[in-house]
Amino acid sequence: QVQLQESGPGLVKPSQTLSLTCTVSGGSISSGDYYWSWIRQPPGKGLEWIGYIYYSGSTDYNPSLKSRVTISVDTSKNQFSLKLSSVTAADTAVYYCAGKRGYTSGFVYWGQGTLVTVSS
Amino acid sequence: DIQMTQSPSTLSASVGDRVTITCRASQSINNWLAWYQQKPGKAPKLLIYKASSLESGVPSRFSGSGSGTEFTLTISSLQPDDFATYYCQQYNSYSWTFGQGTKVEIK
Repeated sequence: QVQLQESGPGLVKPSQTLSLTCTVSGGSISSGDYYWSWIRQPPGKGLEWIGYIYYSGSTDYNPSLKSRVTISVDTSKNQFSLKLSSVTAADTAVYYCAGKRGYTSGFVYWGQGTLVTVSS
Repeated sequence: DIQMTQSPSTLSASVGDRVTITCRASQSINNWLAWYQQKPGKAPKLLIYKASSLESGVPSRFSGSGSGTEFTLTISSLQPDDFATYYCQQYNSYSWTFGQGTKVEIK
């Protein structure tokens, strides 16, 4: 069974870069037809898709965040990562990593989520 | 971006009730729609994909329908474990977007 686990700092200062890593276990990140994504949820609010890296290495990002987001993959560690630059308090959220099974399905695998607070 | 609008935002219901949640897209998304259930402090769980396909392991009381711009999630007989927030999500076009959520509360 594939499992995902987010890791990274829980507190980031305004204007700095938020960096998170998702470790995938129980399966290879580079095999199979999966879109490895980051999704966030501000406290008490709804879900926002941030972007994905496809198993082939291609990426796509939410247009509202595109100028500040980079998602990369390290196949040797079976991990993918998120960098979000120039953060503000509006970026405070629970950040989830998730795996979407092919184009036809939804996000079938989810990490437990990690709260990142932007504050000085 | 394609906007997804769910209604109602909150729904009060009793165990055994039939519950329907609606999700409308700002333009056609064919049938590229998923439904998720989220409980407090937990990650969302996939219930339905491709508008009407039941994810493996999900109880058959959950069903989805619709195509184009209007979709519904139906719970045929609400169970105590079903009180949660439900989200729709479109994946017809990049970027993918979620509805704002529907909270199903105990009446």
